[in-house]
Amino acid sequence: GQQLNQSPQSMFIQEGEDVSMNCTSSSIFNTWLWYKQDPGEGPVLLIALYKAGELTSNGRLTAQFGTTRKDSFLNISASIPSDVGIYFCAGQLRNFGAGKSTFGDGTTLTVKP
Amino acid sequence: DAGVIQSPRHEVTEMGQEVTLRCKPISGHNSLFWYRQTMMRGLELLIYFNNNVPIDDSGMPEDRFSAKMPNASFSTLKIQPSEPRDSAVYFCASSISGTTHTQYFGPGTRLTVL
Repeated sequence: GQQLNQSPQSMFIQEGEDVSMNCTSSSIFNTWLWYKQDPGEGPVLLIALYKAGELTSNGRLTAQFGTTRKDSFLNISASIPSDVGIYFCAGQLRNFGAGKSTFGDGTTLTVKP
Repeated sequence: DAGVIQSPRHEVTEMGQEVTLRCKPISGHNSLFWYRQTMMRGLELLIYFNNNVPIDDSGMPEDRFSAKMPNASFSTLKIQPSEPRDSAVYFCASSISGTTHTQYFGPGTRLTVL
């Protein structure tokens, strides 16, 4: 089946630094999604991407849909302590099993004040 | 507006017991998803429903697991009999069909099977 490789697995950064993480797939997805999960909560959708090459921002977050459709990237600028959490990428094949998302293993972000 | 509601939030049970997890999706949402999250396997889709009908249950690990959605506002995930390896956080999510990327997750049920 499809697999998503998310990296890095964890990051320890200083407040104010920028963060980059990525997700690669062995096969093509038509939709890429980025979620954040806080401790004790369910994942919350941050950004959704629908077209190869698309670049979308949500505040300090910017995500890109890779041109090969097999990867995606998430950047966080000027990190703050509340950015702490686990960030998941997910891919969807919109025309197959509508609604099915394949999730990466997550990147755990720690921000030191 | 109320989000996805799950109950109980925590469940501790003994091996062999039946466990029932409950979910109330967001009103007006017609797709519902059950996920399991563990350290070893990450976030896995178990089953999803569209208009109360199970569409894909290929993620259900084995016959001990069953899920129902008797109406648009309620779903259950049942494990019978439970085993220690079923210990995980179980999430329910809902969405509006056609915009299924925008899944809204509940807070999860943390299940511990002793």
